[in-house]
Amino acid sequence: DTAVSQTPKYLVTQMGNDKSIKCEQNLGHDTMYWYKQDSKKFLKIMFSYNNKELIINETVPNRFSPKSPDKAHLNLHINSLELGDSAVYFCASSRDTSGRSETQYFGPGTRLLVL
Amino acid sequence: QKEVEQNSGPLSVPEGAIASLNCTYSDRGSQSFFWYRQYSGKSPELIMFIYSNGDKEDGRFTAQLNKASQYVSLLIRDSQPSDSATYLCAVTATTDSWGKLQFGAGTQVVVTP
Repeated sequence: DTAVSQTPKYLVTQMGNDKSIKCEQNLGHDTMYWYKQDSKKFLKIMFSYNNKELIINETVPNRFSPKSPDKAHLNLHINSLELGDSAVYFCASSRDTSGRSETQYFGPGTRLLVL
Repeated sequence: QKEVEQNSGPLSVPEGAIASLNCTYSDRGSQSFFWYRQYSGKSPELIMFIYSNGDKEDGRFTAQLNKASQYVSLLIRDSQPSDSATYLCAVTATTDSWGKLQFGAGTQVVVTP
């Protein structure tokens, strides 16, 4: 199936650990995003890559580091996890960023719980 | 001041009625406006987008945009129980950041049979 996929779907870990979330899209899109949705359901952009180049880098702690090995993959590594990192992390992709109506397609989300 | 504001709800709508959702935004240079639907525990999915003033209809959904008032709305006609979800308004910023969506906190809609 063509889609945006993320692994893992659930991640439960202890404070201070380092973890990674992986995202892959087979839609042939050039742009990928990471969003964080907190407990109040507020969805906020973190990063965006266009053709492996970082184009959006919001005010995010530098414990969060995205990596895009190719335009179909965007991973998120989180160092020294904190309680406040508990959230749902969504990956998304769009064809590119040049059109004003570019639809972003979201992955299923990774539910991160830091204990 | 939040950049994109929505009433959190819940908005209770009888089945068959019209649900009216509102969204205001602060950046006057905003270019494109999106409505996403998010079912509980699921990812957001696009319902429709609008970028010109006026109305845009797609099936039972109508988006309305008024840039002068910095206001965008979504009407859901003939509401069905399957429309029960959280509706997220999203706005792209200025012309040099098309891809950067600013989301509102969402309005929860509950359609009652």
